[in-house]
Amino acid sequence: EAGVAQSPRYKIIEKRQSVAFWCNPISGHATLYWYQQILGQGPKLLIQFQNNGVVDDSQLPKDRFSAERLKGVDSTLKIQPAKLEDSAVYLCASSQIPPSATRQETQYFGPGTRLLVL
Amino acid sequence: SQQGEEDPQALSIQEGENATMNCSYKTSINNLQWYRQNSGRGLVHLILIRSNEREKHSGRLRVTLDTSKKSSSLLITASRAADTASYFCATVDTGRRALTFGSGTRLQVQP
Repeated sequence: EAGVAQSPRYKIIEKRQSVAFWCNPISGHATLYWYQQILGQGPKLLIQFQNNGVVDDSQLPKDRFSAERLKGVDSTLKIQPAKLEDSAVYLCASSQIPPSATRQETQYFGPGTRLLVL
Repeated sequence: SQQGEEDPQALSIQEGENATMNCSYKTSINNLQWYRQNSGRGLVHLILIRSNEREKHSGRLRVTLDTSKKSSSLLITASRAADTASYFCATVDTGRRALTFGSGTRLQVQP
């Protein structure tokens, strides 16, 4: 079974530029997550999709970050304009069904995209 | 914001020794999970323990959960050099669906 795919693996941009990341989840997984992991910290959830609908985007800086999941499969995360503090690894994860109080589901993570903003 | 704090932040041991990592969290949870992250890689799920469970085993891993103290521990027995990685605890809070990660413990196993 293929894992979660992400591209690009690395990206270097200057501040105020825009950047986009792509994620292809495991086939059949309904739930997709984007996390931001700053160096030395644990991942922080940015946005969660169930199929093509947004479940949780409470920690997404909506003035500069946007994400979409067209057709409930692939997803893109965009930053426009980028700031220095956006330098981080952006991780995509997917799970087969959304977790609930009675149903626990493992999240499968992609390798991440390492972003450096200069 | 980070939910929990792992302790210690860094741990260095010799191959064959046991490694214990602790995690504290702040809110009421549905379950707690442990993940491993090798340098430059994504996270790999290790084990999940539900809020009504106190201990769980998986191979060389042993996880305990004390909801009264809002803490968990991960024990890796007979460590190997390949266990060198960062280990994160993550909680699924009551009423939410997503994971909230701690800050991680960096484990170095010397061959």
